[in-house]
Amino acid sequence: AQKITQTQPGMFVQEKEAVTLDCTYDTSDQSYGLFWYKQPSSGEMIFLIYQGSYDEQNATEGRYSLNFQKARKSANLVISASQLGDSAMYFCAMREGAEYGNKLVFGAGTILRVKS
Amino acid sequence: EPEVTQTPSHQVTQMGQEVILRCVPISNHLYFYWYRQILGQKVEFLVSFYNNEISEKSEIFDDQFSVERPDGSNFTLKIRSTKLEDSAMYFCASTPMGYGYTFGSGTRLTVV
Repeated sequence: AQKITQTQPGMFVQEKEAVTLDCTYDTSDQSYGLFWYKQPSSGEMIFLIYQGSYDEQNATEGRYSLNFQKARKSANLVISASQLGDSAMYFCAMREGAEYGNKLVFGAGTILRVKS
Repeated sequence: EPEVTQTPSHQVTQMGQEVILRCVPISNHLYFYWYRQILGQKVEFLVSFYNNEISEKSEIFDDQFSVERPDGSNFTLKIRSTKLEDSAMYFCASTPMGYGYTFGSGTRLTVV
């Protein structure tokens, strides 16, 4: 089974509108971490936001927020007030288990295009 | 802001040649990783490294691959005899405690 599922291969959003990128995950661990990364066309991986499995509040970082629904095993990324520079590939990733050094497992990604 | 540095940014090599990809992780980080991304595809884990030894490796990381931290700052990935299918972007990453994984900007390897 896939550990991380991103069901939207591509999304369009109008500039200044909000957009939600979906991510569901599969783990039997109680302790895990969920991450979102942005990959612009230049190729680098830019960390956006982190949510720990024991965090009761949804994580927020500026225009990014993570809609964490633990029972549904979903960790959707919400980008508010989209900008043209938000056009990129977005990856959801998970670190399973309590060990600090465990690897990240990535989803297939969602390409986001912001229209002016 | 501290960053993970990877060199070279691009490398073209002949099939069968050895390549070494270099990374300088963030200095106080303890865990190091190599990932690869074949063009347009998902990011795949290759290997993790902690306390000067491999802590985990994937099926991709076969005998053709090796990693080293030769001098306490550099972290290298060696591919002994490159194949066409090794063409990909290779990312180095590091983390201090497992909640802030910083990635380098990648090395694009092209095997011809």
